Amino acid sequence: DTEVTQTPKHLVMGMTNKKSLKCEQHMGHRAMYWYKQKAKKPPELMFVYSYEKLSINESVPSRFSPECPNSSLLNLHLHALQPEDSALYLCASSQESGKAYNEQFFGPGTRLTVL
Amino acid sequence: AQSVTQPDIHITVSEGASLELRCNYSYGATPYLFWYVQSPGQGLQLLLKYFSGDTLVQGIKGFEAEFKRSQSSFNLRKPSVHWSDAAEYFCAVGGVTGGSYIPTFGRGTSLIVHP
Repeated sequence: DTEVTQTPKHLVMGMTNKKSLKCEQHMGHRAMYWYKQKAKKPPELMFVYSYEKLSINESVPSRFSPECPNSSLLNLHLHALQPEDSALYLCASSQESGKAYNEQFFGPGTRLTVL
Repeated sequence: AQSVTQPDIHITVSEGASLELRCNYSYGATPYLFWYVQSPGQGLQLLLKYFSGDTLVQGIKGFEAEFKRSQSSFNLRKPSVHWSDAAEYFCAVGGVTGGSYIPTFGRGTSLIVHP
């Protein structure tokens, strides 16, 4: 199984809602990532988890809260988002985050719209 | 810090024609280079990667790339383009961020294929 899955595929939420994005991989990877991608732009790194511990937070606003319950699962909890947070949210995983041959496997993304 | 330049925002080719997408990188040491493809509304898929050894790298879907250290380039090529190759292509260089190897992406090149 070389797949990263993400749910839901699409999400529409109001600015006062609380929602969560879910990512799962069963490749035994120990590093997992959240990216945000705006249309026609490259992915922007948000968070990195290495061995289930948060290792990088790229100065992401606190309305985004990541969680790694175990080595296969990665969540992104959303609260009080702004319309400018509307984007494609990509999850990725790799064997480890500290190796130079850091091939990342990406999920299909969650298309988030904030009204 | 590492950086990647993809000078072409859009490239238009006819189906069956050859393709070359340009990528220039800046990195202080031996670069770890990647090409990813992203179809509309999808995640990123790794086409090929270069770490060391043979400077001509073969990837999936008939793509290849050549690493030229003297030109700091890693251009992607395909001898005959298919309509299904229409997508966004991202070149990336792996570099260290906060102790983790994180790819730095170029801005992307949008490939348009005419029948």
